Amino acid sequence: DAGVIQSPRHEVTEMGQEVTLRCKPISGHNSLFWYRQTMMRGLELLIYFNNNVPIDDSGMPEDRFSAKMPNASFSTLKIQPSEPRDSAVYFCASSPDRGPANEQFFGPGTRLTVL
Amino acid sequence: KQEVTQIPAALSVPEGENLVLNCSFTDSAIYNLQWFRQDPGKGLTSLLLIQSSQREQTSGRLNASLDKSSGRSTLYIAASQPGDSATYLCAVRPYNNNDMRFGAGTRLTVKP
Repeated sequence: DAGVIQSPRHEVTEMGQEVTLRCKPISGHNSLFWYRQTMMRGLELLIYFNNNVPIDDSGMPEDRFSAKMPNASFSTLKIQPSEPRDSAVYFCASSPDRGPANEQFFGPGTRLTVL
Repeated sequence: KQEVTQIPAALSVPEGENLVLNCSFTDSAIYNLQWFRQDPGKGLTSLLLIQSSQREQTSGRLNASLDKSSGRSTLYIAASQPGDSATYLCAVRPYNNNDMRFGAGTRLTVKP
């Protein structure tokens, strides 16, 4: 398996622009997670889906952030409008509902820079 | 609210040394604890996962232990190598949801 796939790997944009991050989970995994990593706050869970349904979005910082999972093999995290403080590395992870205690597997991340 | 702390924040050791990384958490009602490795500019690689009913897990030179009652986990690395240099993070998952809480990590440098 190719693992969790994220695109783009790097994104540089200007303040106010819309940013869309993409994730393809590992085939067969039922849960998908979006995380944000910054030096100041470390790794934070933004939202997670189970069977394509958002279960907990309490970590989404503001209404400018939205996430969708239209099918089992694709999810997006959108920021509109983007701000410089959104600059961070955004990780997607997936896990099976069965298996060794629902181990999470992470993608390589998208490094976002908002100028 | 679950708080996860990792000590030390950074560690530098000579090659060949055995070392221990520490992770502590405030709420012992966890479903599992997972240790990850993160290389600079890269994603997280899962190293070991310990379920709440387990005391330890081993993979090669790595051994992770879990003491739920005291809210502690350790990651033991035997015979360290320069290739072990990375940041090591621990994360705990509660029983009732998937909200994993991560520690800030320990940045390990193994000098040749």
